[in-house]
Amino acid sequence: NAGVTQTPKFRVLKTGQSMTLLCAQDMNHEYMYWYRQDPGMGLRLIHYSVGEGTTAKGEVPDGYNVSRLKKQNFLLGLESAAPSQTSVYFCASSYRGRIGYTFGSGTRLTVV
Amino acid sequence: AQRVTQPEKLLSVFKGAPVELKCNYSYSGSPELFWYVQYSRQRLQLLLRHISRESIKGFTADLNKGETSFHLKKPFAQEEDSAMYYCALSGPASGSRLTFGEGTQLTVNP
Repeated sequence: NAGVTQTPKFRVLKTGQSMTLLCAQDMNHEYMYWYRQDPGMGLRLIHYSVGEGTTAKGEVPDGYNVSRLKKQNFLLGLESAAPSQTSVYFCASSYRGRIGYTFGSGTRLTVV
Repeated sequence: AQRVTQPEKLLSVFKGAPVELKCNYSYSGSPELFWYVQYSRQRLQLLLRHISRESIKGFTADLNKGETSFHLKKPFAQEEDSAMYYCALSGPASGSRLTFGEGTQLTVNP
């Protein structure tokens, strides 16, 4: 049982480059989330999804796009990376959010 | 708007000493409160949720609605408790979304 898997684990991008972070869960959870973790700021919600084909903006959505074409996958895209997007990105999933999240191991992204 | 505040960014105690990590929240209604723990460079794990009223790894947390607090306590800290701790809140007004505090880095010294 893999739980929540994020790929890649590390990535260095140049300013202006694009990339997609993949989150996959095998727990049949309806809800999935993307957070970014920055020192002194905790975790901030970027985008989330409450079901296949649906997405919504979180607290800090600018510069990111997401897609949930399949229930088990939630993709986070950066169309034109900026140094301010240097962060650790965590994906999480939940069964309707009421009993706690299951987190992935994170993606450490550096934009130079 | 809902908000979670963890006033201490860093907390250092000696092994065997009591530890309390503070968490205050603002929310209109009945929230669900959680504590998550992140050991060095690992994923976040659910430690406690207030509705379970459980004790995990010796930690307990009581929801005080009058003081809007959900402090995490352990009577005797261990070195393996060193980690980043996040308090989080969810409630009907926010759907399933968790709002996290800024986190407290706990260091337990030998």
